[in-house]
Parts: sequence; C-alpha cells; structure tokens
Amino acid sequence: EAAVTQSPRNKVAVTGGKVTLSCNQTNNHNNMYWYRQDTGHGLRLIHYSYGAGSTEKGDIPDGYKASRPSQENFSLILELATPSQTSVYFCASGDGGLSGNTLYFGEGSRLIVV
Amino acid sequence: AQSVTQPDARVTVSEGASLQLRCKYSYSATPYLFWYVQYPRQGLQLLLKYYSGDPVVQGVNSFEAEFSKSNSSFHLQKASVHWSDSAVYFCALKAGGYKVVFGSGTRLLVSP
Repeated sequence: EAAVTQSPRNKVAVTGGKVTLSCNQTNNHNNMYWYRQDTGHGLRLIHYSYGAGSTEKGDIPDGYKASRPSQENFSLILELATPSQTSVYFCASGDGGLSGNTLYFGEGSRLIVV
Repeated sequence: AQSVTQPDARVTVSEGASLQLRCKYSYSATPYLFWYVQYPRQGLQLLLKYYSGDPVVQGVNSFEAEFSKSNSSFHLQKASVHWSDSAVYFCALKAGGYKVVFGSGTRLLVSP
C-alpha cells in the first residue's frame, strides 16, 4: 500500500493557468518535500516543510508556492504556469530521525504546460 | 553551499561485471549521504545511507558504498551486476536542517 500518493499523475495545463499538485502521506512524517526532475538536472528541490503550517524555500522556488495544511498533505501550486515548468514532479516524506532523514517518494506527477 | 556531483551521466556494463558509480559532495561538515535508485516510471527508493562509523556501508541487493572524507566522495559499488539493476541512480546529501540535495543521477545500462 503506497504511503506517499500524488495527484494528478498526469496533467496538461495551459500557459497562464493555475495548477495544483497534491501529495498525501500516511507515514506520519513531519518533513515533506517537492522536487522536479529534468534530464540533466536530476532532482531539484522546490519547497519543503517541517510540519503542518510550515513551508521553506528550496533551491528553485521561483514560480511555485507550497501549502502544508496538515501533517498528511502538502501541495505545490503554480499560480501562472509557464512552459518551462513542464516536468515530472515528485513529492516525498522524510522520517527526520537520527538515521538521517530517509525520504519516501511518490510515483511522480507529469505536468505538461502548453 | 552544499552540492552533489555525479560526473557520469550514463554507464554501461556487462552483466556479471563489477560496477562503480561515482559521487562527490561539497559540504562543510560531515554529511548524511544516501544512494537512491529509480526504476522506470517510479519514484526513488533508498539503497543505502551513511552518517558515521564504518566508511563502507551495505545496502539492498548487494550494493555497497564507501565514504571518503579526504576525497569528499561516496562511491557506489557492486561486485556483479544483473540486468535488473538497469535504472537511474542518485546520490544525495542531507545538509543543514532537513534539506536534502540530490545529484543529477547516473543512468546504468546492464547489457547481456
């Protein structure tokens, strides 16, 4: 049973439109993350969160907002989508423990902005 | 600033051969280091991790990695690869707080 689920799994959006990517985790982890994956860049951190109500900027936050309304849910919001935001987005939860914060990933959301 | 470099975008090895995937990191303190694997159309899964102690750590599917502070490296190794090891491998670093930074990945192709 998947512990980190993302929706939608596939999305086509128009330039200038609003896109919300949702992530739900049943791991009861405090930390959650949004990454994008692009060929040649690997995974780049967009936003992350230490718990409900908190969001932190990652390395490439421009053009993205994040929302963490509860322990279980973490959303990534593109207010004005652009073609450069076409990518695969991964959500992860982190156990934050003394073992070093192992991340558990969802299966990804493929976004195409036309 | 913290960073992870994986210098090889693609590696091809024959089935049964040994493997080394390279990872170099930049971080001022001793980092938590990880290797993750990504199979097609899936999310990433943890292979192994290191923070302290024995610099050689064992992971799943007979993978191991060796930490070198002097070289700022954390190379992944396997003695004998199988076709099912074909995947993309990512090295990652936990920096300050709970921020986790990934390298660009190495695509491994195991040929028959």
